[in-house]
Amino acid sequence: DAKTTQPNSMESNEEEPVHLPCNHSTISGTDYIHWYRQLPSQGPEYVIHGLTSNVNNRMASLAIAEDRKSSTLILHRATLRDAAVYYCMGSGGGSQGNLIFGKGTKLSVKP
Amino acid sequence: KAGVTQTPRYLIKTRGQQVTLSCSPISGHRSVSWYQQTPGQGLQFLFEYFSETQRNKGNFPGRFSGRQFSNSRSEMNVSTLELGDSALYLCASSLGGRMNEQFFGPGTRLTVL
Repeated sequence: DAKTTQPNSMESNEEEPVHLPCNHSTISGTDYIHWYRQLPSQGPEYVIHGLTSNVNNRMASLAIAEDRKSSTLILHRATLRDAAVYYCMGSGGGSQGNLIFGKGTKLSVKP
Repeated sequence: KAGVTQTPRYLIKTRGQQVTLSCSPISGHRSVSWYQQTPGQGLQFLFEYFSETQRNKGNFPGRFSGRQFSNSRSEMNVSTLELGDSALYLCASSLGGRMNEQFFGPGTRLTVL
């Protein structure tokens, strides 16, 4: 079965780095790994995506394992505004581009 | 630039009825994807349209259908509603498809009684 798995919740202190893991063991070789986050009562917001090598943008960094079966979203200095549910999205395999979201990790940030 | 808009924002229907939800993508975006979000199942992909053609489809029954118009606006339809169809329905648009950055709308909250 295609699966994208994430821990249910994580906690962080403000101003500290946060590493959010995701396992996407059935990802195909050509599918990108995406991360989104969702605040209450809002639609998901794009964070970052990558294919094989590590990626950085103004919001976060994405570290992708060499075998691509897992990735880690890195928030370098968590702020209170980073408290959200973080979703990773990987391929479910097959020929239909069936991208599967994980169930999400609820990140709490303590001041 | 205006974001993705979805109408209506809230909807209450009864079992057996049908419903049509609307999504207006960001100007210039040709790809529109639909997702169902529930507390139990999380975010599940319904389908993606690109230039009026369905490009990908998730594992949902045929009661769920969609279409895209020449101006890239999209509608999704659910027929013969069931209680389990109660969910937040999210629409996302992107320039080239789901492999690119997607911009999500606020969603339509559907309640089936």
